[in-house]
Amino acid sequence: EVQLVESGGGLIQPGGSLRLSCAASGFTVSSNYMSWVRQAPGKGLEWVSVIYSGGSTYYADSVKGRFTISRDNSKNTLYLQMNSLRAEDTAVYYCARLGWEDGYNSYYFDYWGQGTLVTVSS
Amino acid sequence: VIWMTQSPSLLSASTGDRVTISCRMSQGISSYLAWYQQKPGKAPELLIYAASTLQSGVPSRFSGSGSGTDFTLTISCLQSEDFATYYCQQYYSFPWTFGQGTKVEIK
Repeated sequence: EVQLVESGGGLIQPGGSLRLSCAASGFTVSSNYMSWVRQAPGKGLEWVSVIYSGGSTYYADSVKGRFTISRDNSKNTLYLQMNSLRAEDTAVYYCARLGWEDGYNSYYFDYWGQGTLVTVSS
Repeated sequence: VIWMTQSPSLLSASTGDRVTISCRMSQGISSYLAWYQQKPGKAPELLIYAASTLQSGVPSRFSGSGSGTDFTLTISCLQSEDFATYYCQQYYSFPWTFGQGTKVEIK
């Protein structure tokens, strides 16, 4: 059974840093495309970042230069290092696995974690 | 950036109703579209990908159609567990974007 469990959220002051973790089970993180998606309170969904199985990474413009996505293959875990946090980064952060189509990686999200709340406030 | 217009933002319906939700793109995306359901306090769940392919385990009352710029999610016979918020997502190009959401509420 595929499971994704996020951790690491909390209250942080503007300008601070936080690292989110997403522990996966039931599949191998390094063989899949993995992403972070966030949702501000009462708002819609916003894609944040993706890491491909080959290691390439991409970011939304809103977080580029401040956030870093990575993975630890030995721990089957995905990470999101968040620096220079701003009030507008306040959101529930979900990790998600990207799906497959006809044996090829695709770019929709087929499994999601339960989310971890990040609150940026002084 | 591909802009998405999802409508309506709020839909009031009764159990047993047939409901449709629209998602319109600012440019053509072929069939690179997914639909998700989200209940309060929960993570989104995938319903449909490739515009019309039902995710495994999703009830057949859900269906998707469209290609290019206009897409539709249809729930053929609304059940109590279907009252939720629905999002479309394009994955044709970066940045992947979501519609604003449609909340389906009890009439």
